[in-house]
Amino acid sequence: EAGVAQSPRYKIIEKRQSVAFWCNPISGHATLYWYQQILGQGPKLLIQFQNNGVVDDSQLPKDRFSAERLKGVDSTLKIQPAKLEDSAVYLCASSAQDGRPNTEAFFGQGTRLTVV
Amino acid sequence: EDKVVQSPLSLVVHEGDTVTLNCSYEVTNFRSLLWYKQEKKAPTFLFMLTSSGIEKKSGRLSSILDKKELFSILNITATQTGDSAIYLCAVITSGTYKYIFGTGTRLKVLA
Repeated sequence: EAGVAQSPRYKIIEKRQSVAFWCNPISGHATLYWYQQILGQGPKLLIQFQNNGVVDDSQLPKDRFSAERLKGVDSTLKIQPAKLEDSAVYLCASSAQDGRPNTEAFFGQGTRLTVV
Repeated sequence: EDKVVQSPLSLVVHEGDTVTLNCSYEVTNFRSLLWYKQEKKAPTFLFMLTSSGIEKKSGRLSSILDKKELFSILNITATQTGDSAIYLCAVITSGTYKYIFGTGTRLKVLA
């Protein structure tokens, strides 16, 4: 079973520039999560999709962050304009959530964003 | 507000030691508690706990959940340098399947 794919692996941008991250979840997984993990902290949920609908985006800074999952499969997360405090690892995860007992989330390798 | 608290924040031990990592939670609509190991960037799944008092075991790692006292522990016996990582605890809520993570415990095992 192929894992969660993310790209790019690393990105360095200047503040006020824009950046986009891409995620392809495990085939058949209905739920997709985007997390922001700042150094020394646990992952913080930015947005959760169930198929192509948003379940939770309460912690997404909507003035600068946006995300979409148009066909209910892969997803993009965009930041525009970026700030220095956006420097973090952005993790994408997916889970089946079809009622089976073992529906843990599987994570991609993440994108390390550095804003200078 | 839902929250997950892990302790200690960091820990340094020597190979062969036994460690216990703690995770307490306050969430509405608890479904399950999970432990992940994060070595580089991607957290990898260790255990999922749903019922109280039932120990999950995998090699030198074991974990148990107490739903009355709202906590879980992760034990690692005979630690090895390869156990050095951040250990994350997450709680899944029912209904929306939202994952709430703690800040993690950074474990360093010295040779």
